[in-house]
Amino acid sequence: KQEVTQIPAALSVPEGENLVLNCSFTDSAIYNLQWFRQDPGKGLTSLLLIQSSQREQTSGRLNASLDKSSGRSTLYIAASQPGDSATYLCAVGTYKYIFGTGTRLKVLA
Amino acid sequence: GAVVSQHPSRVICKSGTSVKIECRSLDFQATTMFWYRQFPKKSLMLMATSNEGSKATYEQGVEKDKFLINHASLTLSTLTVTSAHPEDSSFYICSALTRGVSYNEQFFGPGTRLTVL
Repeated sequence: KQEVTQIPAALSVPEGENLVLNCSFTDSAIYNLQWFRQDPGKGLTSLLLIQSSQREQTSGRLNASLDKSSGRSTLYIAASQPGDSATYLCAVGTYKYIFGTGTRLKVLA
Repeated sequence: GAVVSQHPSRVICKSGTSVKIECRSLDFQATTMFWYRQFPKKSLMLMATSNEGSKATYEQGVEKDKFLINHASLTLSTLTVTSAHPEDSSFYICSALTRGVSYNEQFFGPGTRLTVL
């Protein structure tokens, strides 16, 4: 049974800092790994999708990497801003997703 | 990207009533949709896989008679919470699956917040 864990559970950083969020999964037989952000009381915003044949994806200040063999993904956020404050979720799967436990990020102005 | 809508966005109902939530793929056809549930300050939990024209597949521990799923067309799946009780209060999110030659991707709806009094 796939289990997805995110570390840290919560993170508070000053504005401008570069930071790394971690996602680990137990079953490497996946098609996709996707990172989302969720603002309080809202739905999901897709950030980056990495297909199993890919190693990383980049969008603006965000970079996500995938190492299937070790069951890990990292989301790198450069030059963090207060607007980045949200909960970040990773999800892995074949055609259906198992979501991670989430990292609650707070960027202080 | 593809757009998925949910209706209603928010619903409050009395205990014992049934509530129907709609999930629509607006600009693409989806033979497969998924329903997730999220408790406050928790992550999303997959409830069931909705397949067009066939019965839904429920995850372990999810009561199929409590959460009725119908996927009658390629753009619409519905989740009906029957005889709702306060413990059914939650945030329900659907997604629709698109498949390519060598990939698949889920697009998520904005969610429906259900409050049962």
